[in-house]
Amino acid sequence: EVQLVESGGGLVKPGGSLRLSCAASRFIFSGYNMNWVRQAPGKGLEWVASISSGGTYINYADSLKGRLTISRDNAQNSLYLQMNSLRVDDTAVYYCAREAPQPRRAFDIWGQGTMVTVSS
Amino acid sequence: EIVLTQSPGTLSLSPGERATLSCRVSQSVSSRSLAWYRQKPGQAPRLLIYGASSRAAGIPDRFSGSGSGTDFTLTISRLEPEDFAVYFCQQFGGSSFTFGPGTKVDIK
Repeated sequence: EVQLVESGGGLVKPGGSLRLSCAASRFIFSGYNMNWVRQAPGKGLEWVASISSGGTYINYADSLKGRLTISRDNAQNSLYLQMNSLRVDDTAVYYCAREAPQPRRAFDIWGQGTMVTVSS
Repeated sequence: EIVLTQSPGTLSLSPGERATLSCRVSQSVSSRSLAWYRQKPGQAPRLLIYGASSRAAGIPDRFSGSGSGTDFTLTISRLEPEDFAVYFCQQFGGSSFTFGPGTKVDIK
C-alpha cells in the first residue's frame, strides 16, 4: 500500500526549532511533487509548502516564508520541513501530502500527521 | 489572493438524503485546479474529486462534482454513515494551494 509516515512532532517552546520528516513507501517518490499541509486544533486546512519532484522548485505560503524550509532526499524517499522561530500559533497537526500527477493539482495521498505543540 | 468560501457552514441531514455543498472562488479559476476532500474526525483528509468533476481512485459514484469559473458544487446523492464528516474544497493558483474553510455534514 502506498504510504506516507510523518515523524518529528512534539512540544517545543516559543522561538524554538523543529524538523519534521515524512517517509514515503511503495511508490516512486522521486516522480512526485510533495507538500506540507497543517491543521490547527479544531480549524481548517492550511497549505504550508511544496517542493517539485527533483527539489528544484519550492514554494511557501506567504505567511510562513522565512521561518520554514522544505527539502527532500529522493535517495532516502524522504520529505522534510525545518521550522524555526516557532510561535504559539504554529501549533497544529502537520501532514505531508503527495501531489497527484499534473494536471490534477490535488493531493491524492496523505500521511496520518504529526502534532506540533508550541507552548511555554 | 484567491479566497475560497464554502456554504453552508453546517449541513444537517439524515442518512440516505442528498447533500449539496458549495465552494465559491473569489476569481475565475480553471476547473482543472479545483478539488474536494472529506475529512473524518481524527483522520487525514481524503481526496474525493479533482479537476472539479473527476472522481479519485476508489471513490464511489454517489460523489459527484460540477461547476466552473467561480462556482463549484460537490453532491453526495445518498448519504452513508461514513459521509458525516467535514468537506474541504481546494484550489491551485499561481504557485500555491488554497483551501476553503470547510462544510460540516452532520446527522439530523
